[in-house]
Amino acid sequence: GAVVSQHPSWVICKSGTSVKIECRSLDFQATTMFWYRQFPKQSLMLMATSNEGSKATYEQGVEKDKFLINHASLTLSTLTVTSAHPEDSSFYICSARARLAGLNEQFFGPGTRLTVL
Amino acid sequence: RKEVEQDPGPFNVPEGATVAFNCTYSNSASQSFFWYRQDCRKEPKLLMSVYSSGNEDGRFTAQLNRASQYISLLIRDSKLSDSATYLCAVTLSTGGFKTIFGAGTRLFVKA
Repeated sequence: GAVVSQHPSWVICKSGTSVKIECRSLDFQATTMFWYRQFPKQSLMLMATSNEGSKATYEQGVEKDKFLINHASLTLSTLTVTSAHPEDSSFYICSARARLAGLNEQFFGPGTRLTVL
Repeated sequence: RKEVEQDPGPFNVPEGATVAFNCTYSNSASQSFFWYRQDCRKEPKLLMSVYSSGNEDGRFTAQLNRASQYISLLIRDSKLSDSATYLCAVTLSTGGFKTIFGAGTRLFVKA
C-alpha cells in the first residue's frame, strides 16, 4: 500500500522554540494532506486541510499563525509549531490522499510525538 | 454535539466473545464511512470501509444505516490481539472531503 512518512518521529524542545514536522508521501502524489492532533486518551482532531500549491484550510479554533502549514509539492507538507508551549505537547499525525485514487483512500503517517518542556 | 459520537467504553471482554461498537454521525454531508483501529501510541490503521449494504471481513462485520445516521462494527470470536481502540470515521462531501473521527472505544480482550 501507499506509504506516508513523518519526520521526526519524536521531538523534545524548550518552551518558546519552533518545531517543524515533515509529512511525505513516498510512492504516490498527494493532492491533499491533512494534519491531526491527538491528546492522550482523546481522538484525532483535524487541525487543517492542506492542498498542494494553495493555502491550508484551518479548522475552527486552530490558530493559523501558530501552526504554519506549507504544502509546496505533491509529496511534501510541513507543519511548523511556532513558539511552542507545554500545552502544544501532543501526537501530531498527517494523512495524505492520493491524487489518482478514490476519495476513500487516505493514508496515515506514523505520527510525531512532540513534548514541550 | 460532536459530529461523530461513539460508545465511551472501555469494553472488557473474554476471548471468544462477540463485541459490538456503535457510532452515530450528525453531518448530513457525510458520504463515506470507516472503522479504524489504533494501537497505543501508533497511527490509526484502516480496518474496513462501511457500506449501506453491510460488509464483512472475516470476524468483522460493519453496518451503515443512513436514515438513522448510525454505523456499527461487530467483532466475533474476539482475540487477544483485537485489544485496541476502535475509531469510527466519516468523510464529508464538503470542506475538502475531510475525515472526522469519533473519540474511539477502547477494547480489552482478556484470556
